[in-house]
Amino acid sequence: SQTIHQWPATLVQPVGSPLSLECTVEGTSNPNLYWYRQAAGRGLQLLFYSVGIGQISSEVPQNLSASRPQDRQFILSSKKLLLSDSGFYLCAWSVGTGNYGYTFGSGTRLTVV
Amino acid sequence: AQTVTQSQPEMSVQEAETVTLSCTYDTSESNYYLFWYKQPPSRQMILVIRQEAYKQQNATENRFSVNFQKAAKSFSLKISDSQLGDTAMYFCALSNNNDMRFGAGTRLTVKP
Repeated sequence: SQTIHQWPATLVQPVGSPLSLECTVEGTSNPNLYWYRQAAGRGLQLLFYSVGIGQISSEVPQNLSASRPQDRQFILSSKKLLLSDSGFYLCAWSVGTGNYGYTFGSGTRLTVV
Repeated sequence: AQTVTQSQPEMSVQEAETVTLSCTYDTSESNYYLFWYKQPPSRQMILVIRQEAYKQQNATENRFSVNFQKAAKSFSLKISDSQLGDTAMYFCALSNNNDMRFGAGTRLTVKP
């Protein structure tokens, strides 16, 4: 069966520090991968998605970047965190374009102090 | 652009009662998919139900059912026989070609 792993679960980082969040999927090949951010009490905002290795589409220009170095690995990064980067980050995967829904990881709560 | 609107920030229901959560959406696409996701306090997003826009029949999954009104662009979720474990945030979502948009969510509390 397919599983998605996301880590770390929680992270507290100072302003100006770098960020690296990792997501991996098991049990499937060539998944579509997504990074979402959920601000407190808000819906989910799509940040990036990837349909293949090295292919990244950005939905919102900001302080973050994403990379897909391997088929089932998706990384969210920042060189210098801002206070506004705080939030709950969710990785998800889908078969094809996601018309059967996305499967989400357990999320990372990032607090920038 | 695709948008999803959930106009009820919070709702409550007594255990064993029925509750309906509202969702409206806007899209220029003719073929799209609609979803309801549940996010319990654990924050794990769980797919509750899925509806294909080209199907007129409303989707049903056990105690969960939808009322899909395509012309009105409305997609409400009905939860029957509410249980304490249904307490969660519920998100309506619209998907078309790698673009899944979510509403702001409705916080549902089931009271004993």
